[in-house]
Amino acid sequence: SAVISQKPSRDICQRGTSLTIQCQVDSQVTMMFWYRQQPGQSLTLIATANQGSEATYESGFVIDKFPISRPNLTFSTLTVSNMSPEDSSIYLCSVRNQDGNSYNEQFFGPGTRLTVL
Amino acid sequence: QKEVEQDPGPLSVPEGAIVSLNCTYSNSAFQYFMWYRQYSRKGPELLMYTYSSGNKEDGRFTAQVDKSSKYISLFIRDSQPSDSATYLCAMSVSNFNKFYFGSGTKLNVKP
Repeated sequence: SAVISQKPSRDICQRGTSLTIQCQVDSQVTMMFWYRQQPGQSLTLIATANQGSEATYESGFVIDKFPISRPNLTFSTLTVSNMSPEDSSIYLCSVRNQDGNSYNEQFFGPGTRLTVL
Repeated sequence: QKEVEQDPGPLSVPEGAIVSLNCTYSNSAFQYFMWYRQYSRKGPELLMYTYSSGNKEDGRFTAQVDKSSKYISLFIRDSQPSDSATYLCAMSVSNFNKFYFGSGTKLNVKP
């Protein structure tokens, strides 16, 4: 299994500012993802963080708003830029290894609870 | 239409009851079906996964997949207050593809 930590665990931010969320995994993993979880909503995939290259964003999410870095196989950051109250949500880091065609469990971090005033 | 539909609840049951949680989906290509449990202020943790159709049992938990009806279920026997959490279904086409999540069903098991 993979143990994932996220920093900060929660934050309250002012509109127009930016927040960078860190995700640290205790072992090297192939795939790292960033999700958003809004109250009563599904987990929504924001992007796949690719090591050494630009992240792959899902429809509706753009790099300017959610820049992502992944400098190595155990660490990634997600920045929420120019925040508005609509960005208030829980942001979750998730990891998964790709091991041939066998099923590989996807692990989630504890989440970062963001409130934008 | 959403890829995955799940009744948000909340579902409140007495301790010892049998709980049935369900999801429907629209993409007939889904092959992997997962159930995650999420406690308050924690990340989701995998409970069970099933490949293709059929049943899978693990202790008090049973997962069922009916691909012909595009319907999956999670049954919890002898429910406990510690089972109180939000349960999310998830599914994917393959091990290499993105996961699609339901919105989660909040379960409360009363002592």
